[in-house]
Amino acid sequence: ILNVEQSPQSLHVQEGDSTNFTCSFPSSNFYALHWYRWETAKSPEALFVMTLNGDEKKKGRISATLNTKEGYSYLYIKGSQPEDSATYLCAFIGGSQGNLIFGKGTKLSVKP
Amino acid sequence: DGGITQSPKYLFRKEGQNVTLSCEQNLNHDAMYWYRQDPGQGLRLIYYSQIVNDFQKGDIAEGYSVSREKKESFPLTVTSAQKNPTAFYLCASSIEGGTEAFFGQGTRLTVV
Repeated sequence: ILNVEQSPQSLHVQEGDSTNFTCSFPSSNFYALHWYRWETAKSPEALFVMTLNGDEKKKGRISATLNTKEGYSYLYIKGSQPEDSATYLCAFIGGSQGNLIFGKGTKLSVKP
Repeated sequence: DGGITQSPKYLFRKEGQNVTLSCEQNLNHDAMYWYRQDPGQGLRLIYYSQIVNDFQKGDIAEGYSVSREKKESFPLTVTSAQKNPTAFYLCASSIEGGTEAFFGQGTRLTVV
């Protein structure tokens, strides 16, 4: 079973704080790394699909980086807002099988 | 509207009964997945299908069965052999394996 680790498990920040989370994954047989946001009572939604070592992607105040050689990805949120409160999941896709292996997620709470 | 639909949202069954969870998508996606979530755990892969009439076991397939007779449908049967069936079940689909996944709203199964 492939291991995908996310840290921290949970995070409580004040509105306006910037924050970041880590996703660690196997460095061999890499195909892609996905980030998803899962808000309470909703379905997970994709934030980023990353495939190349050194990839940096940005969507508004949220950005992500990828290091496939050492097997980690960072997700950054600049100036957190209460609406950013959600669980952030990363998913590793290895080789040609194509199935997504998820980490346990980082639960972010942003206090106004 | 295109999307992925799971039904029902809540399901109660008596111990020893088989139960089938529905997952339908009209996104014309080839790949479909079933995940299970337990408290404090991440999404764990039960089964996935890359194409019609083909599917593979995930990490926790014991006690579950699936079929993929049509592209748009991927039902999951929780059999009486599944020792701890009470959980939240999520279905997802993607254009092909490894691409961005789209999720249903989930089914919360309670076995009493």
